Amino acid sequence: EAQVTQNPRYLITVTGKKLTVTCSQNMNHEYMSWYRQDPGLGLRQIYYSMNVEVTDKGDVPEGYKVSRKEKRNFPLILESPSPNQTSLYFCASSGSGPQSGNTIYFGEGSWLTVV
Amino acid sequence: KNQVEQSPQSLIILEGKNCTLQCNYTVSPFSNLRWYKQDTGRGPVSLTIMTFSENTKSNGRYTATLDADTKQSSLHITASQLSDSASYICVVGSSGSARQLTFGSGTQLTVLP
Repeated sequence: EAQVTQNPRYLITVTGKKLTVTCSQNMNHEYMSWYRQDPGLGLRQIYYSMNVEVTDKGDVPEGYKVSRKEKRNFPLILESPSPNQTSLYFCASSGSGPQSGNTIYFGEGSWLTVV
Repeated sequence: KNQVEQSPQSLIILEGKNCTLQCNYTVSPFSNLRWYKQDTGRGPVSLTIMTFSENTKSNGRYTATLDADTKQSSLHITASQLSDSASYICVVGSSGSARQLTFGSGTQLTVLP
């Protein structure tokens, strides 16, 4: 079954404590991306990756880091989380970049609260 | 600036009725337009994808239309069911932008028995 798996699904952390949200896909997709979703706003892209070792900033990259050392994994790193990073995060993957018209598959989301 | 506007923000209908959701976009250069269904607290699920040359695409009771000249799209839901209650998100892809996708804020549909 085609899957994008995120962990953890729910997390409460304190300001400044580094955390990593993992994302893994089993479809051998080249394109992966992270989004955050806040009330009243559409999904906003944080970072994306077109392939292994190739990453680029999205609309809201500040305060986040990513890496793409393997094709299947694309972790999101918050080096020093702040309360304004409290949000619902989604990882997504696609066979190629979204301009290609390929289906984009989303994970189930990770609810992050920073206190 | 690329933008996607959806209307209405929210909609309540009775089970069995039809409804139409609207999406207007100012994204250039245009590549594709997607409709997603997002249940509360879940990840978005793809309903349809249309490229510039397509003006209609169906997926069961969901039918999307695209008018690339007026930069408008609609999602028509036929014979609504309680399980259709969700947020419907319009997403426009651009071949010329590093950002590549612009998301609308969604239409929250509630289907009542």
